[in-house]
Amino acid sequence: SYELTQPPSVSVSPGQTARITCSGDALPKQYAYWYQQKPGQAPVLVIYKDSERPSGIPERFSGSSSGTTVTLTISGVQAEDEADYYCQSADSSGTVVFGGGTKLTVL
Amino acid sequence: QITLKESGPTLVKPTQTLTLTCTFSGFSLSTSGVGVGWIRQPPGKALEWLALIYWNDDKRYSPSLKSRLTITKDTSKNQVVLTMTNMDPVDTATYYCAHRRNGGNPYFDYWGQGTLVTVSS
Repeated sequence: SYELTQPPSVSVSPGQTARITCSGDALPKQYAYWYQQKPGQAPVLVIYKDSERPSGIPERFSGSSSGTTVTLTISGVQAEDEADYYCQSADSSGTVVFGGGTKLTVL
Repeated sequence: QITLKESGPTLVKPTQTLTLTCTFSGFSLSTSGVGVGWIRQPPGKALEWLALIYWNDDKRYSPSLKSRLTITKDTSKNQVVLTMTNMDPVDTATYYCAHRRNGGNPYFDYWGQGTLVTVSS
């Protein structure tokens, strides 16, 4: 079955740039989506269609795609960005898959 | 404004069937392309997609759980129901329903608050 692979954790100092990767064989053909989840809260969509940002999401969140890897980039990280981040995609049959999640720690 | 809310039992016994209801507002499940999905998250673990139902009653299920899941919709009541049979303690999780925006790949732009279901005798 289709899988998405994320690093378990990423650490960054405030003001620096955080990059969270997500790898999957179908990503060259399928869009990726990113969600932010803070403790005790439901996930929030922060990037859709690889690089589009929903309204209300700060400009410091951006997405990119290259081959089988997509990347969520958070520029000028703030303490409030500390959260779990999940990538999501789908295969050609419409089966949805989530990555294992990455815990972003702001040092 | 789109909102979704999950409801159902907080505690179920092993081997029982779980029935969860997602009640939503701000959109119609009769609108072309729209869907509602279910996603769960065991305590301290990752999100896991379960099922998705579309405006035209097309349904998709997680391959690993397909034999245990049924998703249905009641458009007149603005509700989607998920049933999961043969519950086990490993199914203890927060269960979310979410709105699937029309067009292209499925993804979820609005989520409910989630409901914690514990499986224990």
